[in-house]
Amino acid sequence: DAGVTQSPTHLIKTRGQQVTLRCSPISGHKSVSWYQQVLGQGPQFIFQYYEKEERGRGNFPDRFSARQFPNYSSELNVNALLLGDSALYLCASSFIGQSPGEKLFFGSGTQLSVL
Amino acid sequence: DQQVKQNSPSLSVQEGRISILNCDYTNSMFDYFLWYKKYPAEGPTFLISISSIKDKNEDGRFTVFLNKSAKHLSLHIVPSQPGDSAVYFCAASGLSGSARQLTFGSGTQLTVLP
Repeated sequence: DAGVTQSPTHLIKTRGQQVTLRCSPISGHKSVSWYQQVLGQGPQFIFQYYEKEERGRGNFPDRFSARQFPNYSSELNVNALLLGDSALYLCASSFIGQSPGEKLFFGSGTQLSVL
Repeated sequence: DQQVKQNSPSLSVQEGRISILNCDYTNSMFDYFLWYKKYPAEGPTFLISISSIKDKNEDGRFTVFLNKSAKHLSLHIVPSQPGDSAVYFCAASGLSGSARQLTFGSGTQLTVLP
């Protein structure tokens, strides 16, 4: 079975541009979460989606948005890019995303560089 | 404010010896704790977890200890192997509204020397 797949692997954008990152969860998983990992820090929660509905969002500005499709894949959009948005963006999938001990399975991430 | 802290950015251990990675947290509402391992150019992979109602969980060479009164957990790797060299993240799981999210520490780079 394929794991969590993310595309693209790397991306270079300039300030003010917009970017869309894509994620396909593990087959059978209905919940997708997005995390941002800045160099030298741990991943930080951005969004969680379940059955196409947003369950929650972290402390990120409205420039960040996401959606989940009927096949449970997801897109993360970031508008008006800032230099500080340069980071590794990780997608994680899980069955329902609410059980206390439920593991998250992470993709390899999209490395975004904003120049 | 950092709710999950890993105060040691790096740790070097000789092959065959014990590796001990530490993690502190501040939020008593966390109900599960997980350790993830991350190699360069890969996403974090799950290693081991522990419920907040337990004080120890073991899986092969990996053992996690939880001290709730001190809000402290540790990961023990015995014996350490060169393939264990990676960044280890401590993560605390909790509900924020209806969203279950992981709050990660900043990671510890473990290097196991042959």
